[in-house]
Amino acid sequence: AQKITQTQPGMFVQEKEAVTLDCTYDTSDPSYGLFWYKQPSSGEMIFLIYQGSYDQQNATEGRYSLNFQKARKSANLVISASQLGDSAMYFCATYQAGTALIFGKGTTLSVSS
Amino acid sequence: DVKVTQSSRYLVKRTGEKVFLECVQDMDHENMFWYRQDPGLGLRLIYFSYDVKMKEKGDIPEGYSVSREKKERFSLILESASTNQTSMYLCASRTIAGVNTGELFFGEGSRLTVL
Repeated sequence: AQKITQTQPGMFVQEKEAVTLDCTYDTSDPSYGLFWYKQPSSGEMIFLIYQGSYDQQNATEGRYSLNFQKARKSANLVISASQLGDSAMYFCATYQAGTALIFGKGTTLSVSS
Repeated sequence: DVKVTQSSRYLVKRTGEKVFLECVQDMDHENMFWYRQDPGLGLRLIYFSYDVKMKEKGDIPEGYSVSREKKERFSLILESASTNQTSMYLCASRTIAGVNTGELFFGEGSRLTVL
């Protein structure tokens, strides 16, 4: 079965610094994708970025980029120039055999001024 | 804008009560999902539905049932609420994209407390 591992329960960073949130995955599907979501304290889940396993380039969306290393089965989220509004919980996810997303346990990011 | 609406943001119920959590999406999405979120455990899948009148068990279906009579609405039912069902419940939907692609669109969540 697919599995997502996020080993950092909490990360602390100062404004304008870059931060990397780790995600490793385990899947038997030949074609798969990795997703990152942000959950602010208000509770809604916000989709940030997606990387397909056959995509040649690492995905980027504004200040978010995905450092995808297929051989290492890692899909780390990089946030450049952190802002106070980036303080939230972040989840990595992948599909379970094409049915539903399975999520890691999340990383809480705290950005201070 | 895409919209997934959950009927209640906060609910307080008593042990043994029947609880309905409603979710409506306005995007004509085929697939809908119910997750629960607990501290330190991430999101865990309760049930999902491929389309109208279809349902599949997720990883933790015990104590829950679901109903999907209309495409836009997916209801989660706690037949007899228990204190260990106190949690945040998140509904999501997606269109049929590729097999392992297509992001989920989430509602704002329903925080249920069972006393």
